[in-house]
Amino acid sequence: EVQLVESGGGLVQPGGSLRLSCAASGFTFSRYDMNWVRQAPGKGLEWVASITGSGTNIYYADSVKGRFAISRDNARNSLNLQLSSLRAEDSALYYCARSWGLDLGDYWGQGTLVTVSS
Amino acid sequence: QSVLTQPPSASGTPGQRVTISCSGSSSNIGFNTVNWYQQLPGAAPKLLIYRNDRRPSGVPDRFSGSKSGTSASLAIGGLQSEDEADYYCAVWDDSLNGPKWVFGGGTKLTVL
Repeated sequence: EVQLVESGGGLVQPGGSLRLSCAASGFTFSRYDMNWVRQAPGKGLEWVASITGSGTNIYYADSVKGRFAISRDNARNSLNLQLSSLRAEDSALYYCARSWGLDLGDYWGQGTLVTVSS
Repeated sequence: QSVLTQPPSASGTPGQRVTISCSGSSSNIGFNTVNWYQQLPGAAPKLLIYRNDRRPSGVPDRFSGSKSGTSASLAIGGLQSEDEADYYCAVWDDSLNGPKWVFGGGTKLTVL
C-alpha cells in the first residue's frame, strides 16, 4: 500500500525556517517524481515545488523561489522541503504528492501544517 | 489569480448531471494533459481524472473528463450527496518563465 506521511510542520516566526519531510512507502520511490502542494486555510491548492525521481531536475513556484529548497533521499525514501525566510502568506497545510510524468497526485499525504506568526 | 480559470461554485440536485469547466492557455491545457481532483471537507485531494479523460481505479464512471483546445471539463453524472466537495483542475505549464504545475482556483460543488 502506497503511503505518504508528512512531518515537520509547526509554528514559526516570520523570517524563520522549518524543514518538512515526507516519508514514502509501498512503492519504488526513486522511480517517481515528487511534489509539494500547499493549501492556505480556506483557500485553493497551490503547487510549491517538484523534483524528478533521480533528483536531477527541480522546479519551484515563483512565490517560493530562492526561499524554499526541495530535496530527496532515495536511499531513505524521503522527500524534504527546507523553508526559509518564511512569511505570513506561507502559512498553509503542506501536502506531498507523487507524480508520474504529467499525472500529478495519484497519491497524497495528509499534510503538515505550517503557521508563520509572531 | 489562478492561471487556470474555474467557476467558483456549481450546484445540482441528486441525479442531475453537472459540468465544471477549466480554462487555460496554449502553454498549459493547449499543450499538456489535464488532471482533476476531488477534495472532500477536511480531507486531502484525491485524483479523479488524469490524462484528460482517464479514471484511476476505484473512481466511479459517473465522473468523466474531456479537453478541447485550451479548455477542459469535468462532468459528474447521477449526482449524489457525497459528491459535495471542492474540485480542482491542474496541468503542467510549459511557460517561457519556467515550467510549473498550475491549478485552477477550485469549484465548490453543492448538492441541493
